[in-house]
Amino acid sequence: AQKITQTQPGMFVQEKEAVTLDCTYDTSDPSYGLFWYKQPSSGEMIFLIYQGSYDQQNATEGRYSLNFQKARKSANLVISASQLGDSAMYFCAMREMGTGRRALTFGSGTRLQVQP
Amino acid sequence: EAQVTQNPRYLITVTGKKLTVTCSQNMNHEYMSWYRQDPGLGLRQIYYSMNVEVTDKGDVPEGYKVSRKEKRNFPLILESPSPNQTSLYFCASSSLASRGLRGSTDTQYFGPGTRLTVL
Repeated sequence: AQKITQTQPGMFVQEKEAVTLDCTYDTSDPSYGLFWYKQPSSGEMIFLIYQGSYDQQNATEGRYSLNFQKARKSANLVISASQLGDSAMYFCAMREMGTGRRALTFGSGTRLQVQP
Repeated sequence: EAQVTQNPRYLITVTGKKLTVTCSQNMNHEYMSWYRQDPGLGLRQIYYSMNVEVTDKGDVPEGYKVSRKEKRNFPLILESPSPNQTSLYFCASSSLASRGLRGSTDTQYFGPGTRLTVL
């Protein structure tokens, strides 16, 4: 079974509008971390935001916020006031704390295109 | 500037010719890891290291070697590259410190990637 599911292969958004990128996850580990990374066309992986499974509040980092719904096992990324530079692939990832090797499990990604 | 660096960024080589991709981080991180990214398969962990002289296999270790002689460096070695190792490779590092008051200190930070083509 897929541990991380991103159901939107591609998304379009108008500049200055908000956009939500979906991510659902599957784990039986009670302690886990959820991450979002951005991969522009240049290829690098840029860390955006983190949410821990025990965090009471949704994480926010500037224009990025994470809508964490633990019971639904979803961790959607919200980008407010989209900018042209936000056009990129976005990956949701999870790390289960019970595994010693700390590997991140990635979703298949969502390609976001911001239109002027 | 805190960063993870990888070299080379691009490499085209031939089957069987040994190569090394270097990875270095300046954040004093204990944990380092290598991933490969392939279309349709996402990112998969190759090897990881919890500290100097401590390495272990990830999901797809076949055909790769690593070493961790110094804390800052974690080279990836392909002794006899084959075409199925054509991929985009990422090195990542993180702290093993306990979580801070806000957020996580064990976020993995990635290098810029190395695009390898094996002919």
